[in-house]
Amino acid sequence: DTEVTQTPKHLVMGMTNKKSLKCEQHMGHRAMYWYKQKAKKPPELMFVYSYEKLSINESVPSRFSPECPNSSLLNLHLHALQPEDSALYLCATLGGLGYTFGSGTRLTVV
Amino acid sequence: GQQLNQSPQSMFIQEGEDVSMNCTSSSIFNTWLWYKQDPGEGPVLLIALYKAGELTSNGRLTAQFGITRKDSFLNISASIPSDVGIYFCAGSNYGGSQGNLIFGKGTKLSVKP
Repeated sequence: DTEVTQTPKHLVMGMTNKKSLKCEQHMGHRAMYWYKQKAKKPPELMFVYSYEKLSINESVPSRFSPECPNSSLLNLHLHALQPEDSALYLCATLGGLGYTFGSGTRLTVV
Repeated sequence: GQQLNQSPQSMFIQEGEDVSMNCTSSSIFNTWLWYKQDPGEGPVLLIALYKAGELTSNGRLTAQFGITRKDSFLNISASIPSDVGIYFCAGSNYGGSQGNLIFGKGTKLSVKP
């Protein structure tokens, strides 16, 4: 299995909602990442988990809360988001052959 | 912080033409990567470069890691319509199990049949 699977593929949520994005990998990679990508822009790093511990938080607002329950799963909990948080959220893992990205979750905040 | 300058920003070419794009950095990376991204999808790795001066091919794609470790280029030969998309270069200095990618701003490729 050489894939990074993200669910859901699309998500529309209101500004008072609580939702979660999920990322799953079975490649045994020990580093997992959340990136945010706005339209026509490159991905921007949000969080890095190394061996299931948060190692980098790129000054992301607290309305985004990452969680790594085990070596295969990475979650991003969302609460009280703003319309400007609408973007493609990408999960990635790092292994011997480099970084592998999931297909992303297209998030729309209304 | 580290930044990558990727050029050109966009290209409009005829099917069958060759394409060249490049990235430069103000600082050194130990890994350069080239990704292609289709609309609504995540970036897909095309070529990874790990050694300064390395020249690597993947089908019609060829990429080189500059000797100074501060630049890389990607060539696509005999372009076809499915080459359309956004191409990103990315640099990394990862070691062990950690490290993050620094992305260029992307090159949007359009191919006319």
